[in-house]
Amino acid sequence: QSALTQPASVSGSPGQSITISCTGTTSDVGGYNYVSWYQQHPGKAPKLIIYDVSKRPSGVSDRFSGSKSDNTASLTISGLQAADEADYYCCSYAGSSTLLFGGGTELTVL
Amino acid sequence: QLQLQESGPGLVKPSETLSLTCTVSGGSISSSNYYWGWIRQPPGKGLEWIGSIYYSGSTYLNSSLKSRVTISVDTSKNQFSLRLSSVTAADTAMYYCARDHGFGEQFDYWGQGTLVTVSS
Repeated sequence: QSALTQPASVSGSPGQSITISCTGTTSDVGGYNYVSWYQQHPGKAPKLIIYDVSKRPSGVSDRFSGSKSDNTASLTISGLQAADEADYYCCSYAGSSTLLFGGGTELTVL
Repeated sequence: QLQLQESGPGLVKPSETLSLTCTVSGGSISSSNYYWGWIRQPPGKGLEWIGSIYYSGSTYLNSSLKSRVTISVDTSKNQFSLRLSSVTAADTAMYYCARDHGFGEQFDYWGQGTLVTVSS
């Protein structure tokens, strides 16, 4: 199974909104509502920011939101802040008790 | 507060077996509906799920690594472990352990990670 497809990089200015896509197939993203998103700052462990496509864990800013359409999940960050500069990864259940991560997206805040 | 801590050798020789242990504190590894996973990240690259285990011992493995991976759990010690055999330089990575709340739904707690280098 191949990794889910994410753009290598996205950028935005402070205060703007950006969206990161995560494209899979009907066997993973499109087939289940088990998509999660992780934020990873350099040298740190990943942090869960979205689960079950659009749910936010307690303590995660409501500037982070998730959605899904067909085989593509999306993470939107509104009101971009310098602290949001990080790598972002999606993850999806892929059936048959397997999980797939996306290749990761580097977010630059200009 | 739940904490996970990876431990094991930071250097492994090619063709040998990588062995890591994740110690869970602040909660029980035997709690229902929680799975315990291993994820790795080669330097400068993305995350790769290696596999997960339930406290009962049921394991779920990445098919691309399945032939070389063993994941086990020791509920008495609140630990779970990873063994990866016949390692090569391609297995050099940061290895993370994490709790999966509901299989595949959310890795909500992560260890800090441990870097394993495969080199002679």
